[in-house]
Amino acid sequence: ETGVTQSPTHLIKTRGQQVTLRCSSQSGHNTVSWYQQALGQGPQFIFQYYREEENGRGNFPPRFSGLQFPNYSSELNVNALELDDSALYLCASSYAGGTEAFFGQGTRLTVV
Amino acid sequence: SQELEQSPQSLIVQEGKNLTINCTSSKTLYGLYWYKQKYGEGLIFLMMLQKGGEEKSHEKITAKLDEKKQQSSLHITASQPSHAGIYLCGADPFSGNTGKLIFGQGTTLQVKP
Repeated sequence: ETGVTQSPTHLIKTRGQQVTLRCSSQSGHNTVSWYQQALGQGPQFIFQYYREEENGRGNFPPRFSGLQFPNYSSELNVNALELDDSALYLCASSYAGGTEAFFGQGTRLTVV
Repeated sequence: SQELEQSPQSLIVQEGKNLTINCTSSKTLYGLYWYKQKYGEGLIFLMMLQKGGEEKSHEKITAKLDEKKQQSSLHITASQPSHAGIYLCGADPFSGNTGKLIFGQGTTLQVKP
């Protein structure tokens, strides 16, 4: 077990709604990265948070946003949900400059 | 932009057999990660390679990074049903261990008892 926990594990939302996913990082890790994994694909980098600020972003629209809190936990918010947002959302925690990145178990989002 | 190509896409082996999964990058790899994933679950960290020619082992799994740092292989010796899952290679496209990983599409491994 990695110590990275995500909540909720599953949820179903309607197109157009907003969703918030949560991630608590492993003790000692100050960086959280979020990924989207569509069925049958590898994870795609959404963005990374370091010291409560966004520290790099992948090719995702602004309706994907995030937060990092002083305890290094993080949230991923998605507005105006689209059917294609249905995926497994993964967070990974790491220590800046470190060589380990540990993932949580993921949140399965289904948009109907 | 950097891309990772994994081969094969899927693999079915008899228990006890050895197997190799390859990961090829379009650009130099600054850090190469191997993860295992059970269907629909999180990624389990296996190992990370940084130096050209580096080789690491954990139990029956060995990973290598070639000298030119553009290809890595994952080798499983005497496969067991517990090795079944999806193997993903991930790379840091930037120097300095940024943690902003790109991934291959994954290799699905089935081990027949």
